[in-house]
Amino acid sequence: GEDVEQSLFLSVREGDSSVINCTYTDSSSTYLYWYKQEPGAGLQLLTYIFSNMDMKQDQRLTVLLNKKDKHLSLRIADTQTGDSAIYFCAEAYSGGYQKVTFGIGTKLQVIP
Amino acid sequence: AAGVIQSPRHLIKEKRETATLKCYPIPRHDTVYWYQQGPGQDPQFLISFYEKMQSDKGSIPDRFSAQQFSDYHSELNMSSLELGDSALYFCASSWTATNYGYTFGSGTRLTVV
Repeated sequence: GEDVEQSLFLSVREGDSSVINCTYTDSSSTYLYWYKQEPGAGLQLLTYIFSNMDMKQDQRLTVLLNKKDKHLSLRIADTQTGDSAIYFCAEAYSGGYQKVTFGIGTKLQVIP
Repeated sequence: AAGVIQSPRHLIKEKRETATLKCYPIPRHDTVYWYQQGPGQDPQFLISFYEKMQSDKGSIPDRFSAQQFSDYHSELNMSSLELGDSALYFCASSWTATNYGYTFGSGTRLTVV
């Protein structure tokens, strides 16, 4: 996670919006992802954004990318208790068989 | 839809024993990746295979080896197990024609006692 940084913890009330932030160091990263991991479970791809995009919206999820500042954020609208999980930001380079580098993950706690 | 299948789900081994983890990628996916996730840690890349050839190598100990077989399933072999090897081991697969992220398996939880 040294190339991708995230805050460790976020607590929000049910119904509020959550914003999870991430910074990455490699400007050649072409693909940026958000993964969700529930306790004891695998990693679930939530959404992704290409580096030539500024924003992507998918239902309750909005991804914002500031390429100049190498800052990525995930906004979850109307956060539900089922959104409680660890959210990993990840980056990858373009090309085939590339590996993905993960951040340390942000634990989102949703308070009923 | 078919997902990435990993077996076993849980494995308990003693120190210095050997463990073999298996991964069955999504059909038509040509790349397999192995990750290790320690308690409270982010997933760390171990090794990957593209079309049955090793394509990239991360922080994989020399005690570990892996291969991808003709049917595209992959096995991670871990020998001389240490307590510090206790972790969740994820396999993921992707189709290199796209970069829309990997699909991860549910993981194998290895406990070394």
